[in-house]
Amino acid sequence: DTEVTQTPKHLVMGMTNKKSLKCEQHMGHRAMYWYKQKAKKPPELMFVYSYEKLSINESVPSRFSPECPNSSLLNLHLHALQPEDSALYLCASSQGQMSYFSYEQYFGPGTRLTVT
Amino acid sequence: GESVGLHLPTLSVQEGDNSIINCAYSNSASDYFIWYKQESGKGPQFIIDIRSNMDKRQGQRVTVLLNKTVKHLSLQIAATQPGDSAVYFCAERDSAGNNRKLIWGLGTSLAVNP
Repeated sequence: DTEVTQTPKHLVMGMTNKKSLKCEQHMGHRAMYWYKQKAKKPPELMFVYSYEKLSINESVPSRFSPECPNSSLLNLHLHALQPEDSALYLCASSQGQMSYFSYEQYFGPGTRLTVT
Repeated sequence: GESVGLHLPTLSVQEGDNSIINCAYSNSASDYFIWYKQESGKGPQFIIDIRSNMDKRQGQRVTVLLNKTVKHLSLQIAATQPGDSAVYFCAERDSAGNNRKLIWGLGTSLAVNP
């Protein structure tokens, strides 16, 4: 299984709502990532988990809260978002041990988020 | 900070022609480069990668060339097909900072005309 799955595919939420994005992989990868991507732009790194521990937080506002319950799952909890947070949210994973082979990141299809 | 840029934001080619997508980078310490293809509505898909100790690597219909002297990376696609229409991103590994972070280029949109 070489797939990263993300749910939901689409999400519309109001600024006072609380919602969560989910990501799952069964490739045995021990690094998982959240990216935000605006239209016609490259992905922007938000968070990296390495062996279930948060290793990178790219100064993301606290209204985004990541969680890594186990080595296969990654969540992104959303609360009090702003309309400018509307974007495609991508999850990715890569091998845990640092080596040439761990640099390749495998991406999911993304969740299209609209904040109204 | 360092960045990875692209010479051309859009590229239009005829089906069957070869395509060349270029990428410039500024960090001479970068040791790994990767190309992704992103089709509309999908996540980025790995195409090919190359380490800094190589200057060329070939895959199926794709070749990546690395010129460290001028800090230039290119992706060549042979016999371009309509299914190759997508946005192509180059990225480099941030070797100076956290090893897991990729620095992304701005992307090139490739349109294949039948």
